[in-house]
Amino acid sequence: DTAVSQTPKYLVTQMGNDKSIKCEQNLGHDTMYWYKQDSKKFLKIMFSYNNKELIINETVPNRFSPKSPDKAHLNLHINSLELGDSAVYFCASSLRGGTLSYNEQFFGPGTRLTVL
Amino acid sequence: GDSVTQMEGPVTLSEEAFLTINCTYTATGYPSLFWYVQYPGEGLQLLLKATKADDKGSNKGFEATYRKETTSFHLEKGSVQVSDSAVYFCALSLQGAQKLVFGQGTRLTINP
Repeated sequence: DTAVSQTPKYLVTQMGNDKSIKCEQNLGHDTMYWYKQDSKKFLKIMFSYNNKELIINETVPNRFSPKSPDKAHLNLHINSLELGDSAVYFCASSLRGGTLSYNEQFFGPGTRLTVL
Repeated sequence: GDSVTQMEGPVTLSEEAFLTINCTYTATGYPSLFWYVQYPGEGLQLLLKATKADDKGSNKGFEATYRKETTSFHLEKGSVQVSDSAVYFCALSLQGAQKLVFGQGTRLTINP
């Protein structure tokens, strides 16, 4: 199936650990994103990559480091996990388009991270 | 900065009722506007969009009209079903910005 996929779906870990979330899209898109959804369902963008280049970094702590090995993958590594990192993390992808256009973003199913 | 404000939830309706979820925005340019829906345990799906003033987006019986004069994009459906129970997000994107700015989401529950 063509889609945006994320692994794992659930991640439970202890404070201070380092963990990674993986994202892959097979839609042929050139831009990928990470969003964080907090316990109140509020969604906010964290990062955006276009053709493996970081284009958006929304004041996210340095403990979060995205890595894009190619256009189809955008992984999120989190160091020294804190209680406040507990959230659902969504990956998304789109075609970047021109400066006068917007292209629909397709979202993955989310990864629920719980830090104990 | 750019922002989206949705009506407070949760919203609970009976099946076949009329639905309105209000959404207003603040933007420095001319945004595209979107409604996304999140069904329980799932990711977000685009429900409808409008890219310029007076455009009407529609899908699955839902409609929303881009009102520049009132900076609004209210979601409506004439007759809701139990299967419409979900969280609905209004969002905007500015030309070339390539990021979505979301409202806080509105949880909708439809009772049979």
